Amino acid sequence: GAVVSQHPSWVICKSGTSVKIECRSLDFQATTMFWYRQFPKQSLMLMATSNEGSKATYEQGVEKDKFLINHASLTLSTLTVTSAHPEDSSFYICSVPGGIYEQYFGPGTRLTVT
Amino acid sequence: GQSLEQPSEVTAVEGAIVQINCTYQTSGFYGLSWYQQHDGGAPTFLSYNALDGLEETGRFSSFLSRSDSYGYLLLQELQMKDSASYFCAVSRTKAAGNKLTFGGGTRVLVKP
Repeated sequence: GAVVSQHPSWVICKSGTSVKIECRSLDFQATTMFWYRQFPKQSLMLMATSNEGSKATYEQGVEKDKFLINHASLTLSTLTVTSAHPEDSSFYICSVPGGIYEQYFGPGTRLTVT
Repeated sequence: GQSLEQPSEVTAVEGAIVQINCTYQTSGFYGLSWYQQHDGGAPTFLSYNALDGLEETGRFSSFLSRSDSYGYLLLQELQMKDSASYFCAVSRTKAAGNKLTFGGGTRVLVKP
C-alpha cells in the first residue's frame, strides 16, 4: 500500500498563531487526499477532501477560512490551522485513497494550542 | 444524517473470540470496511465487504448483511497486540473518491 508521511508529528503553538501540517504520499500519486480530526478516544471526523488542481471540499460545519488546505502537487497536501485556539487542539490525520474502499493513513500530527 | 453504531468497549482474555457489531444508517451504501488503530497511531485497513457474507483474512473475519444494514468484525485467537480501537466505516458511493464515514470505534482490551 501507499506510504504516507506527516510533518510535524507533534506541535505546540500559542493561541492566535497559525500552524501548517504537511501530508506527503511517498510512493503514490494522489489527486485526492483526506484530512481528519480525532479527539481523544473518539472517532475520526472527516474535515475536508483535498483536490489536486482545484479547491478543497469541506464537510459541513468545518470552517474553510480557518482550516486552509492546499494540494500543492500529486504528492503533497497541506493543512494550515489559522488563528489557532485551545479548542483546535487535536490529532490531525491525513489519508490517501488506495482504491474504492481502502485508505492509507499518515501517522498523524498532534496539535496542542496553549 | 449518517450514523454508524458500535459498542464502545469490549474486554476479553488472550485466546478468546471477540465480535464487534456495527449497524449503519447512511444515505447510500457501497461497502463496509474495518480499521484498527493503536493508541497514538494511524488507522490501518483490516477488511472490506461490498457483498453479503463473510470475508476471512487470517485471524480476522468480517461479515455484512446489506438487508439488515449490519456488519461485524470477528477477532479470533486474541493476542495482547490486538488491544486497540476498531472502527467500522461506510463507503457511501463508488464515485465519492471513496470518502469514508467512520463509526465511533470500539476499544478492545485483551487481558492475559
